[in-house]
Amino acid sequence: AQSVTQPDIHITVSEGASLELRCNYSYGATPYLFWYVQSPGQGLQLLLKYFSGDTLVQGIKGFEAEFKRSQSSFNLRKPSVHWSDAAEYFCALTTSGTYKYIFGTGTRLKVLA
Amino acid sequence: DTGVSQDPRHKITKRGQNVTFRCDPISEHNRLYWYRQTLGQGPEFLTYFQNEAQLEKSRLLSDRFSAERPKGSFSTLEIQRTEQGDSAMYLCASSLETYEQYFGPGTRLTVT
Repeated sequence: AQSVTQPDIHITVSEGASLELRCNYSYGATPYLFWYVQSPGQGLQLLLKYFSGDTLVQGIKGFEAEFKRSQSSFNLRKPSVHWSDAAEYFCALTTSGTYKYIFGTGTRLKVLA
Repeated sequence: DTGVSQDPRHKITKRGQNVTFRCDPISEHNRLYWYRQTLGQGPEFLTYFQNEAQLEKSRLLSDRFSAERPKGSFSTLEIQRTEQGDSAMYLCASSLETYEQYFGPGTRLTVT
């Protein structure tokens, strides 16, 4: 069965610092991978997605993610965090021919001024 | 493109009552999904529709839960005889013939 693991429940960074949020998946082939952001009381907004091709994908709000097949990872990065990035971040997976997402448990990001 | 909308945004109900939530997808999106999110967890898949056909249901969707999508437009999710364990955020998402889903703001259900 497929699964998604986000090892860090909480992460705190200072404004202007770099950020990396970890996502590991379990699936026998190449999955389709997504990162979403959820602000308090809100739905999820898509940051970026990976289907195939270039393993470094760019998203909105200055985020990028790198797919590493050998490590079964899809980590999210941002070079300089802004206070408005404080939110919860979810990594999700789906597979060819299915459409339901499997989500990780999320990482809550706190940004210090 | 007005995005996915959900109504109501919040619902407080007493245990044993029935509740119904509505989701309006992005127009012309043929796929519609329901997820449930409890505190501190990621969303969990409940069910999905392609047009008006309900193609997959999770084992999480007990007999007390029913979802419909008449005419392949909006969808409703009904919970009968609510229990405290049903308290959660219910998220709706829609997509075209792609794997990219767009989420609504959710309906937060509190069962007292």
